[in-house]
Amino acid sequence: NAGVTQTPKFRVLKTGQSMTLLCAQDMNHEYMYWYRQDPGMGLRLIHYSVGEGTTAKGEVPDGYNVSRLKKQNFLLGLESAAPSQTSVYFCASSYQRQQMNTEAFFGQGTRLTVV
Amino acid sequence: ELKVEQNPLFLSMQEGKNYTIYCNYSTTSDRLYWYRQDPGKSLESLFVLLSNGAVKQEGRLMASLDTKARLSTLHITAAVHDLSATYFCAVVGPDSNYQLIWGAGTKLIIKP
Repeated sequence: NAGVTQTPKFRVLKTGQSMTLLCAQDMNHEYMYWYRQDPGMGLRLIHYSVGEGTTAKGEVPDGYNVSRLKKQNFLLGLESAAPSQTSVYFCASSYQRQQMNTEAFFGQGTRLTVV
Repeated sequence: ELKVEQNPLFLSMQEGKNYTIYCNYSTTSDRLYWYRQDPGKSLESLFVLLSNGAVKQEGRLMASLDTKARLSTLHITAAVHDLSATYFCAVVGPDSNYQLIWGAGTKLIIKP
């Protein structure tokens, strides 16, 4: 089973460049999330989606945009990359909310460096 | 604002020893998750704790939740090297609108 797949796995960007990270899940989950992970800070939620065509801001949304045109895909865009966006990005999905027994399943992560 | 604190943040221990990782959170919550992350890898769900007094065990790991004390513990029994990883707890508050708030993680190194 593929589960949650993120592409690319690694990327180096120059300041001001743009890019899109793709997350795909094959578990028919309604909820999808984009997190960033920085050393010593745990995970912080960037944006999330509760269903196809819907998105919402998380804890640290500035500088990012997202789209959920299809239920299985959740895209994270950086319009003008900044060094502060150097991080490891994780996508996750869950059935309905992150409640009850519906824990989140994570992708393998994308290591982004902005120089 | 919901805050989650883990301690210790770093733990080095010998195989065969027991130890406990603590996860404190600042506001009411009845859902707490424990995840494991190996270096350079993704996060793997370990336990979901849904109610006060909940206790779950998997192998040498046991997690418990005390919602009144706003505390969860992850206890390691007779540690083995394969348990070396970073362990995260995460909490959903009643008004967090689907957001999980994560602890900073506990990096556990188990030496032979």
